[in-house]
Amino acid sequence: AQSVTQLDSHVSVSEGTPVLLRCNYSSSYSPSLFWYVQHPNKGLQLLLKYTSAATLVKGINGFEAEFKKSETSFHLTKPSAHMSDAAEYFCVVSNMDSNYQLIWGAGTKLIIKP
Amino acid sequence: DAGVIQSPRHEVTEMGQEVTLRCKPISGHNSLFWYRQTMMRGLELLIYFNNNVPIDDSGMPEDRFSAKMPNASFSTLKIQPSEPRDSAVYFCASSLMGTPSYNEQFFGPGTRLTVL
Repeated sequence: AQSVTQLDSHVSVSEGTPVLLRCNYSSSYSPSLFWYVQHPNKGLQLLLKYTSAATLVKGINGFEAEFKKSETSFHLTKPSAHMSDAAEYFCVVSNMDSNYQLIWGAGTKLIIKP
Repeated sequence: DAGVIQSPRHEVTEMGQEVTLRCKPISGHNSLFWYRQTMMRGLELLIYFNNNVPIDDSGMPEDRFSAKMPNASFSTLKIQPSEPRDSAVYFCASSLMGTPSYNEQFFGPGTRLTVL
């Protein structure tokens, strides 16, 4: 069975400081991993994805994530937060276990303080 | 491509009425997903289709909900009769499933349903 755990329901950072959103997964097979972002009252947008190529994945808006198999983690980072980054972020896993359906984390709400 | 198209974007109806939500997936995608999002329960997968065939409807809350995909370019989610607790944002997503590299899902803008 597979699952996704987002370790923080809310993360609050000041504008201009680094962002770290944590995600751990469990998977029997080599997973595909995704981060989606949802801005207030908007739909879901793919931020980045890992599909067994480079372990450091760069996404849109300056975000990146590193796949660490030994730690079963796929944390999302950004060097400097911007007010427009305020949104909810979802970590997602997929593999043969789920017939390639997406298994969603509960989400982390990112709050940016001016 | 225009992306996943959903209609209507907003729907307000009265309890007991029938509601039909519509979705046009991205051309060439072979899988379609219906999700519901609420503050209380977060994002829930209701049903998904592969090659127009329903594969897993275990997330459909009850018999009042039904979904169809008559062809590769159109799907509906129907609620009959609707109840206030059905108020939520309903998302449709599509993907090209089968291999990990291609199973990212593309989401529509959602339909915000309010049942009074």
